[in-house]
Amino acid sequence: RKEVEQDPGPFNVPEGATVAFNCTYSNSASQSFFWYRQDCRKEPKLLMSVYSSGNEDGRFTAQLNRASQYISLLIRDSKLSDSATYLCVIIMDSNYQLIWGAGTKLIIKP
Amino acid sequence: DVKVTQSSRYLVKRTGEKVFLECVQDMDHENMFWYRQDPGLGLRLIYFSYDVKMKEKGDIPEGYSVSREKKERFSLILESASTNQTSMYLCASGSFPEGPLYYEQYFGPGTRLTVT
Repeated sequence: RKEVEQDPGPFNVPEGATVAFNCTYSNSASQSFFWYRQDCRKEPKLLMSVYSSGNEDGRFTAQLNRASQYISLLIRDSKLSDSATYLCVIIMDSNYQLIWGAGTKLIIKP
Repeated sequence: DVKVTQSSRYLVKRTGEKVFLECVQDMDHENMFWYRQDPGLGLRLIYFSYDVKMKEKGDIPEGYSVSREKKERFSLILESASTNQTSMYLCASGSFPEGPLYYEQYFGPGTRLTVT
């Protein structure tokens, strides 16, 4: 089993809809969690950190479920510009090792 | 504004050639990384460096070497390019002054390497 797994998608979603996807991880050790966004033919960029209590940034909500070992990203009122690949990454607190998911592709359709 | 630059956006090389990919960051980051990204496989770590002249193997170091002579520059070398090294190569940098919770990794624009 991979250390970090994501559904590759694509998720095809109509504009204005709400979409959510998860990232599961296998290591229960202490770690920090993040979502990155990668536009087509561009480099990944930090979207948001995932805090234990969950956090929100505008239309985006990130949550952590330690018991079930996954993080989630929810996008409300989706826009065409939200079309991208969303990568999760875990940083191990013990050695600062970064472990990347392969990404979930999201396509927002008009 | 953090900048990570890579020497080429597109590169075409022949099998057996020695290939140099250069990466420069301007934020005084201690950590620098080289990844390759292939469809369906995501980002795979080739090598990383936590300090000048220091290097550590990542998950797929075979066929690659690196050099970090200066803090701002991290080079990836393909000693003898092969067709299975055709890929997108991404350089990244970052630092952990406040621990992993506040970490941000900055990527360069990538080099799309084709080996024929």
